[in-house]
Amino acid sequence: GAGVSQSPRYKVAKRGQDVALRCDPISGHVSLFWYQQALGQGPEFLTYFQNEAQLDKSGLPSDRFFAERPEGSVSTLKIQRTQQEDSAVYLCASSLARDRSNEKLFFGSGTQLSVL
Amino acid sequence: AQRVTQPEKLLSVFKGAPVELKCNYSYSGSPELFWYVQYSRQRLQLLLRHISRESIKGFTADLNKGETSFHLKKPFAQEEDSAMYYCALIPQPGAGSYQLTFGKGTKLSVIP
Repeated sequence: GAGVSQSPRYKVAKRGQDVALRCDPISGHVSLFWYQQALGQGPEFLTYFQNEAQLDKSGLPSDRFFAERPEGSVSTLKIQRTQQEDSAVYLCASSLARDRSNEKLFFGSGTQLSVL
Repeated sequence: AQRVTQPEKLLSVFKGAPVELKCNYSYSGSPELFWYVQYSRQRLQLLLRHISRESIKGFTADLNKGETSFHLKKPFAQEEDSAMYYCALIPQPGAGSYQLTFGKGTKLSVIP
């Protein structure tokens, strides 16, 4: 494909609503990351997958956040009972390698989530 | 925990002037450092990483372990350099950590 694809591009949710954000990585990319970027801040790590295995979820801010990548390709980030502080741009990134340090990340355009 | 500091939120320079975007980090080990760039309406993308010792679009960055800095430099700024620049760090490669830690970013504006 043309790169990492994320949908929807924009999402407006009412407080308390559940949302699901989708990431379609570059075909064949082993590693997949989710980052959260609040307004005026740099991206902050949420979670990391190597194929279908979620190896690190230490950045997920609460148990309302859940991510999966069941077949090792498409990933979904789900946020339950959204709160206003969840408003941010959610970035997905993928890379070819298992060894993170030797491969650059390819980022998607992000999903801008606004919780009213 | 590691931290990346970019002290300037906004940096304005005239076209043809030298540019230096500052980045300082705190980490006790030997990190790997990166600069990412986001041009208007485009995705975040890797500009350069210190292990490659490369020059991309005329930009260079040297890791100074003594000062824990990784400043980004370009001798002559171009209008197309206007963008958001993020410094980022990853802990010791191979240590099992995959988390990129980003600074808050510096917006570079090159005045024609």
